[in-house]
Amino acid sequence: DGGITQSPKYLFRKEGQNVTLSCEQNLNHDAMYWYRQDPGQGLRLIYYSQIVNDFQKGDIAEGYSVSREKKESFPLTVTSAQKNPTAFYLCATTNRDTNQPQHFGDGTRLSIL
Amino acid sequence: GIQVEQSPPDLILQEGANSTLRCNFSDSVNNLQWFHQNPWGQLINLFYIPSGTKQNGRLSATTVATERYSLLYISSSQTTDSGVYFCAVVRGNTPLVFGKGTRLSVIA
Repeated sequence: DGGITQSPKYLFRKEGQNVTLSCEQNLNHDAMYWYRQDPGQGLRLIYYSQIVNDFQKGDIAEGYSVSREKKESFPLTVTSAQKNPTAFYLCATTNRDTNQPQHFGDGTRLSIL
Repeated sequence: GIQVEQSPPDLILQEGANSTLRCNFSDSVNNLQWFHQNPWGQLINLFYIPSGTKQNGRLSATTVATERYSLLYISSSQTTDSGVYFCAVVRGNTPLVFGKGTRLSVIA
């Protein structure tokens, strides 16, 4: 969807490395979300943030970390503790106060070298 | 937490055929969305439909909130309709919960 930028589109990680996926939005939405999608599977929630400087764990938070220092940005770090990081990562935003639909970025594909 | 089940899991259609995809959910919800994920992975909003019926071209959706299900209708299917269709729901102030999707293949 327009207004949500994820970068890079493709990312390769060596064993033992941390990598950070970027998600930036210009929709002025309060809430931001990170999802993981494995091949042929649905979306699983990693972390979400409903206001700046606050975030909550989703269903599969182990091995990941996030920050929310600005309303526009919600970066996701895949740490070396995440043993199977190869997946498609999607960022989403919404304005919860007005119960708006959720919008998604185009995703980042992460692979292990 | 709330459970979302989609059926069928896979569907193959001849171009021009019609189809109905179903989404059942286990509890009352504030919001329901249908998404289409294209072969490139992009997730596109189709409908935001907590109740009632909406139409957009060849696609329409109906949610019967009291009976906890939603239906997505695709008429005169085209090859570009191929991909995975997800239903997702929100209850209260919690994040969207997704079903596992219906994988649709439309063949010429």
